[in-house]
Amino acid sequence: DGGITQSPKYLFRKEGQNVTLSCEQNLNHDAMYWYRQDPGQGLRLIYYSQIVNDFQKGDIAEGYSVSREKKESFPLTVTSAQKNPTAFYLCATELYNEQFFGPGTRLTVL
Amino acid sequence: SQKIEQNSEALNIQEGKTATLTCNYTNYSPAYLQWYRQDPGRGPVFLLLIRENEKEKRKERLKVTFDTTLKQSLFHITASQPADSATYLCALDMRTGNTGKLIFGQGTTLQVKP
Repeated sequence: DGGITQSPKYLFRKEGQNVTLSCEQNLNHDAMYWYRQDPGQGLRLIYYSQIVNDFQKGDIAEGYSVSREKKESFPLTVTSAQKNPTAFYLCATELYNEQFFGPGTRLTVL
Repeated sequence: SQKIEQNSEALNIQEGKTATLTCNYTNYSPAYLQWYRQDPGRGPVFLLLIRENEKEKRKERLKVTFDTTLKQSLFHITASQPADSATYLCALDMRTGNTGKLIFGQGTTLQVKP
C-alpha cells in the first residue's frame, strides 16, 4: 500500500516536555509538509522540505523543529518553547501541485 | 498579506440539491486554486485544481469556477448525497517555484440531509 503514515494518532504531553511526531511516506515524493490545524481554522504551515537534507520555515515555525535525513521520513519535534501546542498536526507530501495528507496526530498538552 | 475567506457557517441542504460553496480572497490572484475535502478527525483529500487562466473545471458531480476579477472561486456539488457531508477547504497556491505554500481557508461544513 502506498501512502503516508503518522504516529501516534493521539499524543498527550506534559507542559515543558519535547515531543516528536512521526511522518513516513512510501510514495517516493520529494516534497513534504507539516501543518497545524486548530478548531475552526484553516491549516497553517509549520515547515516544509523540498528535498533530503533541506527544509524551510513556514508561517508558524517558532517552537518547532524538523529534520529530513531520509526521503521517506520528515519528523516534527514540538519543543517546550511552543506556547500553545495542543492541536491537530497533519503531514503531507506533494506531487504535481496536489498534496497528499496523512491521517494526522492529535496532540494534547496536559 | 494574502487572506482567504470561506463561509464559516455550516451549509445545510436537502439530498439531490446542488450545494454551492464560496471562497473569496484578497490581494493578488494565485496561480492555482485548490479544493480539498476533510472528514472529521482525518486529513484533507484533494478534489480539484483550477488554474488562473481557466474559468471552470469539472470532475464527475463537482464543478469549480475561478473568477480573478471578483477574486472568488465557487465550488458546486450537483445531485448532492448524504455521503458528501464533510468540510470543504479552499487553498490558494502561491508558489513561485516547484513547491511552496498553500494558504488554506478555514473551511465550510456541508451537511446533506436525506
